Amino acid sequence: ILNVEQSPQSLHVQEGDSTNFTCSFPSSNFYALHWYRWETAKSPEALFVMTLNGDEKKKGRISATLNTKEGYSYLYIKGSQPEDSATYLCACYNTDKLIFGTGTRLQVFP
Amino acid sequence: NAGVTQTPKFQVLKTGQSMTLQCAQDMNHEYMSWYRQDPGMGLRLIHYSVGAGITDQGEVPNGYNVSRSTTEDFPLRLLSAAPSQTSVYFCASNKRQNPIHEQYFGPGTRLTVT
Repeated sequence: ILNVEQSPQSLHVQEGDSTNFTCSFPSSNFYALHWYRWETAKSPEALFVMTLNGDEKKKGRISATLNTKEGYSYLYIKGSQPEDSATYLCACYNTDKLIFGTGTRLQVFP
Repeated sequence: NAGVTQTPKFQVLKTGQSMTLQCAQDMNHEYMSWYRQDPGMGLRLIHYSVGAGITDQGEVPNGYNVSRSTTEDFPLRLLSAAPSQTSVYFCASNKRQNPIHEQYFGPGTRLTVT
């Protein structure tokens, strides 16, 4: 089972700050990298699915980049808002199943 | 569409009891999976299915059984509950076994084993 790591484990930022976090995964046999947003008491919801090296995806103030050769992806949030508070999960596809990292818990204070 | 539904939302079991967590989806998705979520551990894959009649083990399959007799349903059975199985369980589905398809998650079942 491949190892998907996320850092930091948690992050506290002020409203308006920009922030980013990292997902690391094995670069061999790469198929796809998923990012999910998980709010407290809700279910995870997909943000991005990325497959190509150098891929960049954007949804509003959130964007992600992918480097498959070195095995990492960054998630960026520009001008964080309290409603961005959530756990952000990345997951890497391994042959026929999706393996999740432990997540980065983001708290944005007003 | 209701999406992915799970029942029950909450359950308390005594050690040794058995029960089935229900999961259903109405999106005609081929691929379904069960995860458990524990503090500091993220989502860990228990079992998954690439289509009706086909199931396979994930990262943490011990103590759990699954079957997939229809496309819509993917129940998870605990044969003899143990306190270590106290967790939040999520069922998920996606269109087919393809890395580009995002997963859709159910609302979760919070299970406590005493």
